[in-house]
Amino acid sequence: NAGVTQTPKFQVLKTGQSMTLQCAQDMNHEYMSWYRQDPGMGLRLIHYSVGAGITDQGEVPNGYNVSRSTTEDFPLRLLSAAPSQTSVYFCASSYLAGADTQYFGPGTRLTVL
Amino acid sequence: GENVGLHLPTLSVQEGDNSIINCAYSNSASDYFIWYKQESGKGPQFIIDIRSNMDKRQGQRVTVLLNKTVKHLSLQIAATQPGDSAVYFCAENRGNQFYFGTGTSLTVIP
Repeated sequence: NAGVTQTPKFQVLKTGQSMTLQCAQDMNHEYMSWYRQDPGMGLRLIHYSVGAGITDQGEVPNGYNVSRSTTEDFPLRLLSAAPSQTSVYFCASSYLAGADTQYFGPGTRLTVL
Repeated sequence: GENVGLHLPTLSVQEGDNSIINCAYSNSASDYFIWYKQESGKGPQFIIDIRSNMDKRQGQRVTVLLNKTVKHLSLQIAATQPGDSAVYFCAENRGNQFYFGTGTSLTVIP
């Protein structure tokens, strides 16, 4: 199993540009989530999904969209990038929603100029 | 965000000593807790978890203690090794969401 994969590893955007961060897992996990990690802070939940076709907002959803058309993939879209979105983004997945061990991807480091 | 925090942001220990990392949480509705280890440039890695119906759980060289009365969680690492140097996060679960603490940076001195 490849586990949780994320692409790209690094990305630089200009303010106002849009992009999609990719996340995929091959463990047949139902639950997937996106977090952002800023310096000196813990991870904050952006969006999550409890299964294909179902998504919901986390702590910091503004400026981000998600979709879950398949069990394997959970892309995160930045519609109009802002400098405040400069961060490291992590995707995670688990068998069950909520109370189950989450497995994290390697992260995407995003800089918005 | 939710008040999941750590008492100390940094911790230095001698190789071979035991390490204790603490975490406080504020919401008594949380029913599942996880400790993660994060090395530089990598994603968080699961260490150990505990559910709210338990007060202690042991793994290989690690023990998690949960005190629901004072809403406190701790991670004990026995015989700390240089490879244990990393940032450690606690996370609490409520419903479908996890809330993370800010992390403690553990440095092991050879």
